[in-house]
Amino acid sequence: GESVGLHLPTLSVQEGDNSIINCAYSNSASDYFIWYKQESGKGPQFIIDIRSNMDKRQGQRVTVLLNKTVKHLSLQIAATQPGDSAVYFCAEIQGAQKLVFGQGTRLTINP
Amino acid sequence: KAGVTQTPRYLIKTRGQQVTLSCSPISGHRSVSWYQQTPGQGLQFLFEYFSETQRNKGNFPGRFSGRQFSNSRSEMNVSTLELGDSALYLCASSPPGVGYNEQFFGPGTRLTVL
Repeated sequence: GESVGLHLPTLSVQEGDNSIINCAYSNSASDYFIWYKQESGKGPQFIIDIRSNMDKRQGQRVTVLLNKTVKHLSLQIAATQPGDSAVYFCAEIQGAQKLVFGQGTRLTINP
Repeated sequence: KAGVTQTPRYLIKTRGQQVTLSCSPISGHRSVSWYQQTPGQGLQFLFEYFSETQRNKGNFPGRFSGRQFSNSRSEMNVSTLELGDSALYLCASSPPGVGYNEQFFGPGTRLTVL
């Protein structure tokens, strides 16, 4: 199918803590996944991606984990900062440039 | 390098009217994709153009159409507007290359249908 879903619509964490955003996908044939961040009034911004032949990929303060057995994707943000407050989307690639997005999780960083 | 630009940023129309939205991709990018974002349905793929040809299409009615010009700029048109067409319309451009290429999103056009 074309659904990419998220477990929780909202998440609040204390500044400095780590956050984990989860995503479930349904298309087991997908081989490429991306996390996007969308701030108010802006378009989605690429954070990190992972291919299906990987279990984990790390970036600057972010880590994406992929569990193909249960079709689950997660984004870990370390040492959260106020600027991390945004809506986060997972997306899978279907077709050359077609992104199928999840519903999004709103992350709020509390001071 | 300038980012993706979309015009207008805000638009108010009434039911039954038609609307044209414009997207200017990043210089050198030849692929332009369009997405509709609503609170209820989230981000949904509309279509993608590459070298003036529609290469992929989402599940939207024929009232939604698009085109791409030789300079890679793209327009999308929605005819016979319905209240449910109120949304943020996002375009994204990608550089040429084999397979998937990162999409860079513009700020969107906020369309309100009254």
